[in-house]
Amino acid sequence: SQQGEEDPQALSIQEGENATMNCSYKTSINNLQWYRQNSGRGLVHLILIRSNEREKHSGRLRVTLDTSKKSSSLLITASRAADTASYFCATDDNAGNMLTFGGGTRLMVKP
Amino acid sequence: NAGVTQTPKFQVLKTGQSMTLQCAQDMNHNSMYWYRQDPGMGLRLIYYSASEGTTDKGEVPNGYNVSRLNKREFSLRLESAAPSQTSVYFCASRAHNTGELFFGEGSRLTVL
Repeated sequence: SQQGEEDPQALSIQEGENATMNCSYKTSINNLQWYRQNSGRGLVHLILIRSNEREKHSGRLRVTLDTSKKSSSLLITASRAADTASYFCATDDNAGNMLTFGGGTRLMVKP
Repeated sequence: NAGVTQTPKFQVLKTGQSMTLQCAQDMNHNSMYWYRQDPGMGLRLIYYSASEGTTDKGEVPNGYNVSRLNKREFSLRLESAAPSQTSVYFCASRAHNTGELFFGEGSRLTVL
């Protein structure tokens, strides 16, 4: 079974609104990453947060990590139509080698 | 700078046929990965190679074999393809300093 699970599975918002996606995982991690996938393409790395960090920002992205709840959230502020994509969280094992993904959140931003 | 290159991009097989998916990276990364993605689903890890000369099973290794030919190349082989292996296969390499994965564009495999 997959380590991470995203919630919601699908999200539809209007341009300019904020989008929040959540990820829950099962075992302890070294770090957690978020990726984006446009339809039919490979995944692209967005941001990495280490297990000793609680919050990280990159442009319009804000990621939080709560290791006590084994959960993370990705916030995209002031969304654009171009943000329409699937978003995945990924976690590695304690050795830092085996990187596994959740099922993803499909985000649609309507213009 | 090509990044991660996968071949072929598309392939149709009959049940029982064999084939090898090729992957090469030019970023001098130690770790490489093979994932499969079924429609509307996330990625599931098939095999990974933490360094040249080592390979390890991921979440769904059954029906697959891998070879880490050298630091650049990591191939995935289906010895006897089954319809359940119809999927999009992604190869990735991992930067040691940032932990970031770099993905190829995927190989779309259909098994009839």
